Amino acid sequence: SQTIHQWPATLVQPVGSPLSLECTVEGTSNPNLYWYRQAAGRGLQLLFYSVGIGQISSEVPQNLSASRPQDRQFILSSKKLLLSDSGFYLCAWAKGRLTDTQYFGPGTRLTVL
Amino acid sequence: AQSVTQLDSQVPVFEEAPVELRCNYSSSVSVYLFWYVQYPNQGLQLLLKYLSGSTLVKGINGFEAEFNKSQTSFHLRKPSVHISDTAEYFCAVSPSSNTGKLIFGQGTTLQVKP
Repeated sequence: SQTIHQWPATLVQPVGSPLSLECTVEGTSNPNLYWYRQAAGRGLQLLFYSVGIGQISSEVPQNLSASRPQDRQFILSSKKLLLSDSGFYLCAWAKGRLTDTQYFGPGTRLTVL
Repeated sequence: AQSVTQLDSQVPVFEEAPVELRCNYSSSVSVYLFWYVQYPNQGLQLLLKYLSGSTLVKGINGFEAEFNKSQTSFHLRKPSVHISDTAEYFCAVSPSSNTGKLIFGQGTTLQVKP
């Protein structure tokens, strides 16, 4: 069966510090991968998605970036965090076909102080 | 472009009462429709989805939703809720012509009271 992992589970970082969140998927190959952010009182915002190694599409201009160094690994990064980067970050995967369900990881709670 | 509107930010209801969570969408192209549930500090779990065929879709935990194309709605219903249904519920659409990106509504918090 497939599983999706995210770490860390929680993170408190000062403004201006770097960020690296990791997401890995097990039990499937060549998945579509997604990063979402959920800010307090708001819905989910798609940040990045990837259909293959090294292929990243950005949905929202911001100081975040994403990379996919391996087939089942998706990394969200920032060089300098802003207060507005605080939120709940969710990684998801799908088999790639248009009708496939997206399966979500447990999320990372990021607080920028 | 597509958008999703969940008309109620919070829905309080007593245990064993019926509930309806409303969702309306806007799209100029055909879409797929989804409902997800999120328990506190967890990821999202799929409740049900509409791709084609019967407009009444049954999902897990006794939930169902009905696709109404003329009203561009996809309301979620449950005839009798439990305390354990307390969670946040998200409606989402996926345009049928792209890489399966989901566009989410703002979410509805269902509060089931004893």
